[in-house]
Amino acid sequence: DAKTTQPTSMDCAEGRAANLPCNHSTISGNEYVYWYRQIHSQGPQYIIHGLKNNETNEMASLIITEDRKSSTLILPHATLRDTAVYYCIASDNYGQNFVFGPGTRLSVLP
Amino acid sequence: DAGITQSPRYKITETGRQVTLMCHQTWSHSYMFWYRQDLGHGLRLIYYSAAADITDKGEVPDGYVVSRSKTENFPLTLESATRSQTSVYFCASSERVRGYTFGSGTRLTVV
Repeated sequence: DAKTTQPTSMDCAEGRAANLPCNHSTISGNEYVYWYRQIHSQGPQYIIHGLKNNETNEMASLIITEDRKSSTLILPHATLRDTAVYYCIASDNYGQNFVFGPGTRLSVLP
Repeated sequence: DAGITQSPRYKITETGRQVTLMCHQTWSHSYMFWYRQDLGHGLRLIYYSAAADITDKGEVPDGYVVSRSKTENFPLTLESATRSQTSVYFCASSERVRGYTFGSGTRLTVV
C-alpha cells in the first residue's frame, strides 16, 4: 500500500471549514483513499473514501487531485466534537493492509 | 442491536494468566480484525480473518491466538499474558470497499 503523509497537528476555529491534507504520491491506480477519525478513547470511525472522483457525504467531503498524489478532507463547519485524530489511508486491499499511521490531531477551538 | 461489540470493556489480569477478548458483529461481514493501540505506536494489526476458519497474522501476532469458528465471532486470546500486552484492543469488521467498522475497544491491564 502507498505510504501517506499527514501534518502532525492542526487547529481550526469552531464553525469554520477544516481542511486536512494528505500526501500519497506513490498511490497506485487501484488504491482507494480512506479517511477515519478517532475521538479520544473511542474506536476509529469511518468518514469517507474515494478512488478518483471527489466524494461527499453527511460528514465530510473528499477532494482528490487529478494526479491522485494528494487529497484533502474537508469538514465544512467544524464543531468542538470534531476534535480528534484523523487518519488518511491508501489501500487497494480493504482486508489485509490497512496501516494506520500517526494521523493528524485536529483541535477545534471555540 | 446491529453493530460490532467487544467485551469486556475493561479487564485487569495477572501476568501469566490466559485471557480472552470477545468480538461479535451482526452484519455477517467477511473480514474481521484485531488491533492494539499503545501510546507512541498507534494502531497495530495483530490478526485478521477473511472468513470463518481463515485467519492470518498481522504486524504483531506474537503472544496472541485467534479463532473464527463462526462468521460473527472473532475472539482474541492471550495465552499467557505479559505486562507488554497492556493496551487498548480494538476489533473491526469490513465488507468489500466500504472500509472498517470498529468496536468500542477493550482496555486490558496486565499486572
